Amino acid sequence: GENVEQHPSTLSVQEGDSAVIKCTYSDSASNYFPWYKQELGKGPQLIIDIRSNVGEKKDQRIAVTLNKTAKHFSLHITETQPEDSAVYFCAASTRGGSYIPTFGRGTSLIVHP
Amino acid sequence: SAVISQKPSRDICQRGTSLTIQCQVDSQVTMMFWYRQQPGQSLTLIATANQGSEATYESGFVIDKFPISRPNLTFSTLTVSNMSPEDSSIYLCSVDRGGDTGELFFGEGSRLTVL
Repeated sequence: GENVEQHPSTLSVQEGDSAVIKCTYSDSASNYFPWYKQELGKGPQLIIDIRSNVGEKKDQRIAVTLNKTAKHFSLHITETQPEDSAVYFCAASTRGGSYIPTFGRGTSLIVHP
Repeated sequence: SAVISQKPSRDICQRGTSLTIQCQVDSQVTMMFWYRQQPGQSLTLIATANQGSEATYESGFVIDKFPISRPNLTFSTLTVSNMSPEDSSIYLCSVDRGGDTGELFFGEGSRLTVL
């Protein structure tokens, strides 16, 4: 089955800095890579996703890149703000197949004002 | 989007007892899932709740410990049976609305503490 590794487990940055979270996956059949943000006391919420036919996707201050050859994908947050502080999960799944995602272990992002 | 209501939001339970968590969705969905999130850990899929049939459990999870009901397309329950302190965790209900988006919607979770 799919295995998703996520690093770092904790990331501490100053407000305004950039943050990068990296994930690798094992199943070359995976074609859908979502990122979820979980704020304290809440369930995870999708913030951005990317499909295997795209190398990069941006949405305002967040971007995701995908390298299918190397089987890794990354989340980039620019101009971080205190409200970006949360736990971020990457995931990989195969849409059209067994599409239930496999999640990484999460990254706790702390943005210091 | 999907609005998912879970209850209880938190509970403190005694060892050996059982607790049922309810999940209500604001619209009909085909796929409903139950996840466990242990402190500082990732989201682990317990089972897929199938409407009108038995749930599909992931490796390491069994029906006797985590019985699941899915009486209709908007509601499901997860029971944590014969609880031990190791069952202390956040339990999350999730749905896939279908279509091409792939997005999962999650409830806010039920935080269980077993003494």
